[in-house]
Amino acid sequence: NAGVTQTPKFQVLKTGQSMTLQCAQDMNHEYMSWYRQDPGMGLRLIHYSVGAGITDQGEVPNGYNVSRSTTEDFPLRLLSAAPSQTSVYFCASSYSFGGNQPQHFGDGTRLSIL
Amino acid sequence: DAKTTQPTSMDCAEGRAANLPCNHSTISGNEYVYWYRQIHSQGPQYIIHGLKNNETNEMASLIITEDRKSSTLILPHATLRDTAVYYCIADRYGNKLVFGAGTILRVKS
Repeated sequence: NAGVTQTPKFQVLKTGQSMTLQCAQDMNHEYMSWYRQDPGMGLRLIHYSVGAGITDQGEVPNGYNVSRSTTEDFPLRLLSAAPSQTSVYFCASSYSFGGNQPQHFGDGTRLSIL
Repeated sequence: DAKTTQPTSMDCAEGRAANLPCNHSTISGNEYVYWYRQIHSQGPQYIIHGLKNNETNEMASLIITEDRKSSTLILPHATLRDTAVYYCIADRYGNKLVFGAGTILRVKS
């Protein structure tokens, strides 16, 4: 049981490049989300999904795109990378939206944009 | 969601109980108190949550005051591996979490 798996663990991009951060969970969780964490700060919610085919914006969605075609996967796309998007990105999942279920987090993707 | 206030940092001796306070004076009746921790930039780890009754699990105990305006997370026998940033979050559903700066707990031998 792998839990929440994020790939890659590290990535360096040039300004203007695009890339996809992968997130997969094997716990059959309906709810998945993406956070970013900047140095010395708490996590901020980017996008979330309450089930396959359903996504919505969080606190800081600009510059990011998501889709949820399967229950297991929730990729995060950077359309045109900017230095301000240098951060650590965490994916999380829980059994459902609501119901006060614990969130399970991945180990993060450390992204640097030059 | 209610705002929470935590001390910036705390120290605890190894083997002693670590008591981490959290103020949430504006918490509403249907908001739970959640505790997560983050060890050395790993992904946050769920610890415990509660509504109004005290809760205990294999990791910690959560004590919520009767007026629900504050709570305390208790790690009964802190070890060096408990050194982490601890986040107290008030939320109705536990999904769209709002993380503050948290409390840096340093466990010292």
